[in-house]
Amino acid sequence: EAQVTQNPRYLITVTGKKLTVTCSQNMNHEYMSWYRQDPGLGLRQIYYSMNVEVTDKGDVPEGYKVSRKEKRNFPLILESPSPNQTSLYFCASSIRGPAGDTQYFGPGTRLTVL
Amino acid sequence: AQTVTQSQPEMSVQEAETVTLSCTYDTSENNYYLFWYKQPPSRQMILVIRQEAYKQQNATENRFSVNFQKAAKSFSLKISDSQLGDTAMYFCAFPGGATNKLIFGTGTLLAVQP
Repeated sequence: EAQVTQNPRYLITVTGKKLTVTCSQNMNHEYMSWYRQDPGLGLRQIYYSMNVEVTDKGDVPEGYKVSRKEKRNFPLILESPSPNQTSLYFCASSIRGPAGDTQYFGPGTRLTVL
Repeated sequence: AQTVTQSQPEMSVQEAETVTLSCTYDTSENNYYLFWYKQPPSRQMILVIRQEAYKQQNATENRFSVNFQKAAKSFSLKISDSQLGDTAMYFCAFPGGATNKLIFGTGTLLAVQP
């Protein structure tokens, strides 16, 4: 089944404890992206990747890191999480970029930072 | 700046009736896609319908159709024969040009009443 998977689905952590949210797609998509969703703000892009080893900042990259060492995986890293990073996170992928392709979203990761 | 506006935070409709969700956007691009995504209580982001801006004909997917007015930069979603399973948050989105992201509206929460 073609899909985007994320792990974990739910995570409660404490301020400053490094964490990684994994994202994997099995559709051979070139493009992958991370969004965060907050009430009243819709979804905002954190980072994106047009291809392996190519990543760039989105609108809200502060406090996040990503890597794209292989096509199928695009982990989101929070080196020192803070409470303002409590949010619902989505990974998305598409064949190319979003300009002409449908974005396929993962199931979301709800992160709480205490 | 490219923006998406959904002016209806919440809407309600009776089962089997028709409802229209509004979306306006601002872009200087000429060729682009527009999307409606649905987010049910499960939080999954599901593509409902997409419209190619260079096409005159409005897109239709079963009970879902759009009214695309390019000059007015309006992209509304019509749901016919509403079903209880249509209860969800609906997001309008379009690609952010060179920034390689989807720009989302703040969403419309639709409740289908039995």
